[in-house]
Amino acid sequence: DGGITQSPKYLFRKEGQNVTLSCEQNLNHDAMYWYRQDPGQGLRLIYYSQIVNDFQKGDIAEGYSVSREKKESFPLTVTSAQKNPTAFYLCASSIGLPGQGVTETQYFGPGTRLLVL
Amino acid sequence: GENVEQHPSTLSVQEGDSAVIKCTYSDSASNYFPWYKQELGKGPQLIIDIRSNVGEKKDQRIAVTLNKTAKHFSLHITETQPEDSAVYFCAVRYSSASKIIFGSGTRLSIRP
Repeated sequence: DGGITQSPKYLFRKEGQNVTLSCEQNLNHDAMYWYRQDPGQGLRLIYYSQIVNDFQKGDIAEGYSVSREKKESFPLTVTSAQKNPTAFYLCASSIGLPGQGVTETQYFGPGTRLLVL
Repeated sequence: GENVEQHPSTLSVQEGDSAVIKCTYSDSASNYFPWYKQELGKGPQLIIDIRSNVGEKKDQRIAVTLNKTAKHFSLHITETQPEDSAVYFCAVRYSSASKIIFGSGTRLSIRP
């Protein structure tokens, strides 16, 4: 089956700790994204990547870091600098970036809920 | 600025009735408008999208209409069923950015 997987489903972070959320896709998509979702709110873009070894900051990148060493993987690290990390994190992918025609449709993973202990 | 306003934030309709959710945007050059459905504890799923070269698109009980002059687009769900209960998000691709902006969501509840 093709799709996007995220792990773990739930993640607990202690004070001052860095944690990494996994996102893997086997859709052969070039573009990948990380969004944060807070209760009752829409999705806010954290980081996105168009190709391997390249990524760009989104609207709320502070306190987060990413890497794109492989086409199918785009892990997100929530650092200790992120003072309010409790949220639902969603990973998405698309064939190409928005603005590139029909390839811009984004497909989402099941999400990771991050909680602070 | 880049933003999308979505209304209403909550909507309750009787099973079998229709539901309409509306979004407005500010960039007249925007040309891609997807709608997503998110069930509790899951990621959003694309249910329908429309591009600026068409005014309406339909897929069974779901339709989206686009009014470029007024800069708004709407999701219409007819003959609603219990499984339509979810949060619905509209989104807009602004011409100036390589990203999609999401509305704040509408929680739709279908009353039996």
